[in-house]
Amino acid sequence: EADIYQTPRYLVIGTGKKITLECSQTMGHDKMYWYQQDPGMELHLIHYSYGVNSTEKGDLSSESTVSRIRTEHFPLTLESARPSHTSQYLCASSESPALNTEAFFGQGTRLTVV
Amino acid sequence: RKEVEQDPGPFNVPEGATVAFNCTYSNSASQSFFWYRQDCRKEPKLLMSVYSSGNEDGRFTAQLNRASQYISLLIRDSKLSDSATYLCVVNPSMDTGRRALTFGSGTRLQVQP
Repeated sequence: EADIYQTPRYLVIGTGKKITLECSQTMGHDKMYWYQQDPGMELHLIHYSYGVNSTEKGDLSSESTVSRIRTEHFPLTLESARPSHTSQYLCASSESPALNTEAFFGQGTRLTVV
Repeated sequence: RKEVEQDPGPFNVPEGATVAFNCTYSNSASQSFFWYRQDCRKEPKLLMSVYSSGNEDGRFTAQLNRASQYISLLIRDSKLSDSATYLCVVNPSMDTGRRALTFGSGTRLQVQP
Protein backbone atom coordinates (compact mmCIF):
# COMPACT_ATOMS: atom_id res chain seq x y z
CA GLU A 1 0.00 0.00 0.00
CA ALA A 2 1.14 3.52 -0.81
CA ASP A 3 1.99 5.82 2.08
CA ILE A 4 0.16 8.89 0.86
CA TYR A 5 -2.75 10.31 2.80
CA GLN A 6 -5.39 12.90 2.13
CA THR A 7 -7.69 14.58 4.59
CA PRO A 8 -10.53 15.09 4.80
CA ARG A 9 -12.02 12.29 2.68
CA TYR A 10 -15.30 14.15 2.33
CA LEU A 11 -16.05 17.83 2.86
CA VAL A 12 -19.28 19.76 2.48
CA ILE A 13 -18.84 23.47 2.95
CA GLY A 14 -20.64 26.71 2.29
CA THR A 15 -19.85 29.20 -0.45
CA GLY A 16 -17.21 31.75 0.44
CA LYS A 17 -15.40 29.64 3.03
CA LYS A 18 -11.66 29.14 2.96
CA ILE A 19 -10.60 25.51 2.84
CA THR A 20 -7.34 23.60 2.88
CA LEU A 21 -7.07 20.06 1.58
CA GLU A 22 -4.21 18.16 3.16
CA CYS A 23 -1.88 15.70 1.45
CA SER A 24 1.06 13.96 3.10
CA GLN A 25 3.40 11.21 1.95
CA THR A 26 6.04 9.32 3.89
CA MET A 27 7.94 7.90 0.93
CA GLY A 28 10.37 10.80 0.59
CA HIS A 29 9.15 11.54 -2.94
CA ASP A 30 10.28 14.78 -4.54
CA LYS A 31 7.38 15.15 -6.98
CA MET A 32 3.86 15.75 -5.80
CA TYR A 33 0.72 16.49 -7.79
CA TRP A 34 -2.83 17.66 -7.39
CA TYR A 35 -5.46 16.45 -9.84
CA GLN A 36 -9.11 17.41 -10.13
CA GLN A 37 -11.60 14.83 -11.40
CA ASP A 38 -15.34 15.12 -11.89
CA PRO A 39 -17.39 11.85 -11.78
CA GLY A 40 -16.81 9.75 -14.88
CA MET A 41 -14.46 12.32 -16.35
CA GLU A 42 -10.72 12.51 -16.90
CA LEU A 43 -8.05 13.64 -14.46
CA HIS A 44 -6.90 17.24 -14.82
CA LEU A 45 -3.56 18.33 -13.40
CA ILE A 46 -3.99 21.56 -11.43
CA HIS A 47 -0.67 21.86 -9.54
CA TYR A 48 2.62 20.07 -9.22
CA SER A 49 5.85 20.37 -7.30
CA TYR A 50 9.37 19.13 -7.98
CA GLY A 51 10.53 19.62 -4.44
CA VAL A 52 10.55 21.97 -1.48
CA ASN A 53 9.69 25.57 -2.43
CA SER A 54 9.02 24.55 -6.03
CA THR A 55 5.45 24.62 -7.37
CA GLU A 56 3.89 25.09 -10.79
CA LYS A 57 0.41 25.35 -12.18
CA GLY A 58 -0.90 22.47 -14.21
CA ASP A 59 -2.99 22.27 -17.36
CA LEU A 60 -6.31 23.19 -15.83
CA SER A 61 -6.70 26.71 -14.61
CA SER A 62 -7.54 26.63 -10.95
CA GLU A 63 -8.30 29.25 -8.35
CA SER A 64 -6.55 27.15 -5.76
CA THR A 65 -3.01 27.65 -4.46
CA VAL A 66 -0.45 25.21 -3.11
CA SER A 67 2.68 25.30 -0.98
CA ARG A 68 5.57 22.93 -0.48
CA ILE A 69 7.43 23.90 2.67
CA ARG A 70 8.27 20.31 3.60
CA THR A 71 8.96 17.36 1.32
CA GLU A 72 6.18 15.27 2.79
CA HIS A 73 3.42 17.87 2.79
CA PHE A 74 1.61 19.48 -0.17
CA PRO A 75 -1.57 21.26 0.94
CA LEU A 76 -4.04 22.83 -1.49
CA THR A 77 -5.99 25.93 -0.47
CA LEU A 78 -9.13 27.55 -1.82
CA GLU A 79 -9.49 31.07 -0.43
CA SER A 80 -13.19 31.35 -1.23
CA ALA A 81 -15.02 28.17 -2.14
CA ARG A 82 -17.70 28.26 -4.85
CA PRO A 83 -20.14 25.61 -6.11
CA SER A 84 -18.02 25.31 -9.29
CA HIS A 85 -15.22 23.92 -7.08
CA THR A 86 -17.33 20.86 -6.30
CA SER A 87 -15.25 17.91 -7.47
CA GLN A 88 -12.91 15.17 -6.36
CA TYR A 89 -9.33 16.25 -5.64
CA LEU A 90 -6.61 13.61 -5.89
CA CYS A 91 -3.07 14.03 -4.59
CA ALA A 92 -0.21 11.91 -5.93
CA SER A 93 3.55 11.60 -5.52
CA SER A 94 6.44 10.03 -7.38
CA GLU A 95 10.20 9.84 -7.21
CA SER A 96 12.28 12.23 -9.25
CA PRO A 97 14.10 12.36 -11.59
CA ALA A 98 14.42 8.61 -12.02
CA LEU A 99 12.83 6.98 -15.02
CA ASN A 100 10.01 4.49 -14.78
CA THR A 101 8.77 6.13 -11.64
CA GLU A 102 5.13 5.42 -11.05
CA ALA A 103 2.86 7.81 -9.19
CA PHE A 104 1.06 6.79 -6.03
CA PHE A 105 -2.33 8.33 -5.29
CA GLY A 106 -4.08 9.24 -2.10
CA GLN A 107 -7.70 8.20 -1.67
CA GLY A 108 -8.94 11.63 -2.66
CA THR A 109 -11.03 14.38 -1.10
CA ARG A 110 -14.58 14.66 -2.34
CA LEU A 111 -15.51 18.34 -2.01
CA THR A 112 -19.04 19.69 -2.22
CA VAL A 113 -19.61 23.43 -2.03
CA VAL A 114 -23.19 24.42 -1.31
CA ARG B 1 -4.07 17.72 -29.94
CA LYS B 2 -3.91 16.02 -26.55
CA GLU B 3 -0.54 14.73 -25.39
CA VAL B 4 -2.01 11.33 -24.60
CA GLU B 5 -5.07 10.02 -26.44
CA GLN B 6 -7.22 7.04 -25.69
CA ASP B 7 -10.48 5.68 -27.06
CA PRO B 8 -12.94 6.47 -24.25
CA GLY B 9 -15.08 3.40 -24.92
CA PRO B 10 -17.00 1.96 -23.25
CA PHE B 11 -15.86 -1.46 -24.30
CA ASN B 12 -18.60 -3.95 -23.43
CA VAL B 13 -17.27 -7.50 -23.63
CA PRO B 14 -18.46 -10.90 -22.38
CA GLU B 15 -16.58 -12.78 -19.70
CA GLY B 16 -13.68 -14.73 -21.15
CA ALA B 17 -13.17 -12.34 -24.06
CA THR B 18 -9.86 -10.84 -25.06
CA VAL B 19 -9.84 -7.06 -25.26
CA ALA B 20 -7.16 -4.62 -26.39
CA PHE B 21 -6.75 -0.93 -25.67
CA ASN B 22 -4.49 1.45 -27.52
CA CYS B 23 -3.06 4.76 -26.50
CA THR B 24 -1.07 7.26 -28.55
CA TYR B 25 1.28 9.94 -27.27
CA SER B 26 2.54 13.04 -29.03
CA ASN B 27 5.94 13.64 -27.40
CA SER B 28 8.49 11.39 -29.07
CA ALA B 29 10.99 12.09 -26.26
CA SER B 30 8.73 10.60 -23.59
CA GLN B 31 10.67 8.38 -21.25
CA SER B 32 8.41 5.92 -19.53
CA PHE B 33 4.89 4.60 -19.75
CA PHE B 34 2.34 3.00 -17.50
CA TRP B 35 -1.16 1.59 -17.41
CA TYR B 36 -3.27 2.50 -14.41
CA ARG B 37 -6.63 1.13 -13.39
CA GLN B 38 -9.32 3.28 -11.79
CA ASP B 39 -12.44 1.81 -10.24
CA CYS B 40 -15.57 3.89 -9.92
CA ARG B 41 -15.14 6.66 -7.32
CA LYS B 42 -11.69 5.36 -6.33
CA GLU B 43 -8.15 6.61 -6.89
CA PRO B 44 -6.07 5.34 -9.84
CA LYS B 45 -3.70 2.49 -9.08
CA LEU B 46 -0.76 1.20 -11.08
CA LEU B 47 -1.63 -1.85 -13.16
CA MET B 48 1.72 -2.25 -14.88
CA SER B 49 4.68 -0.39 -16.29
CA VAL B 50 5.29 -0.66 -20.03
CA TYR B 51 8.77 -1.65 -21.15
CA SER B 52 10.27 -1.37 -24.63
CA SER B 53 10.52 -5.13 -24.93
CA GLY B 54 6.91 -5.63 -23.91
CA ASN B 55 5.90 -7.23 -20.66
CA GLU B 56 3.31 -9.61 -19.34
CA ASP B 57 1.69 -10.01 -15.96
CA GLY B 58 -0.71 -12.91 -15.84
CA ARG B 59 -3.61 -12.14 -18.17
CA PHE B 60 -2.29 -8.66 -18.94
CA THR B 61 0.22 -7.82 -21.67
CA ALA B 62 1.60 -4.35 -22.35
CA GLN B 63 3.42 -3.31 -25.51
CA LEU B 64 5.26 -0.16 -26.52
CA ASN B 65 5.87 0.95 -30.09
CA ARG B 66 8.17 3.96 -29.98
CA ALA B 67 8.30 4.37 -33.76
CA SER B 68 4.54 4.79 -33.97
CA GLN B 69 4.24 6.34 -30.51
CA TYR B 70 1.60 4.05 -29.15
CA ILE B 71 1.12 1.80 -26.18
CA SER B 72 -1.24 -1.11 -25.94
CA LEU B 73 -2.80 -3.19 -23.20
CA LEU B 74 -4.19 -6.66 -23.87
CA ILE B 75 -6.43 -8.39 -21.37
CA ARG B 76 -7.05 -12.08 -21.93
CA ASP B 77 -9.85 -14.16 -20.41
CA SER B 78 -11.70 -11.10 -19.10
CA LYS B 79 -13.22 -11.33 -15.63
CA LEU B 80 -16.12 -9.36 -14.21
CA SER B 81 -13.63 -7.83 -11.79
CA ASP B 82 -11.70 -6.33 -14.72
CA SER B 83 -14.52 -3.80 -15.20
CA ALA B 84 -12.90 -0.41 -14.61
CA THR B 85 -11.39 2.54 -16.42
CA TYR B 86 -7.89 1.98 -17.77
CA LEU B 87 -5.64 5.02 -17.91
CA CYS B 88 -2.60 5.37 -20.15
CA VAL B 89 0.14 7.41 -18.46
CA VAL B 90 3.26 8.96 -19.99
CA ASN B 91 6.30 10.26 -18.15
CA PRO B 92 7.72 13.09 -20.28
CA SER B 93 11.34 13.72 -21.08
CA MET B 94 13.19 16.00 -18.72
CA ASP B 95 14.05 18.12 -21.77
CA THR B 96 10.50 19.08 -22.57
CA GLY B 97 10.11 21.41 -19.66
CA ARG B 98 6.97 19.58 -18.72
CA ARG B 99 7.85 17.34 -15.88
CA ALA B 100 4.52 16.02 -14.67
CA LEU B 101 3.06 12.65 -15.52
CA THR B 102 0.45 12.99 -18.26
CA PHE B 103 -2.71 10.92 -18.01
CA GLY B 104 -4.95 9.91 -20.87
CA SER B 105 -8.67 10.39 -20.43
CA GLY B 106 -9.13 6.65 -19.85
CA THR B 107 -10.89 3.77 -21.57
CA ARG B 108 -13.86 2.28 -19.78
CA LEU B 109 -14.22 -1.50 -19.78
CA GLN B 110 -17.42 -3.28 -18.79
CA VAL B 111 -17.22 -7.06 -18.67
CA GLN B 112 -20.65 -8.67 -18.94
CA PRO B 113 -21.62 -12.02 -17.37
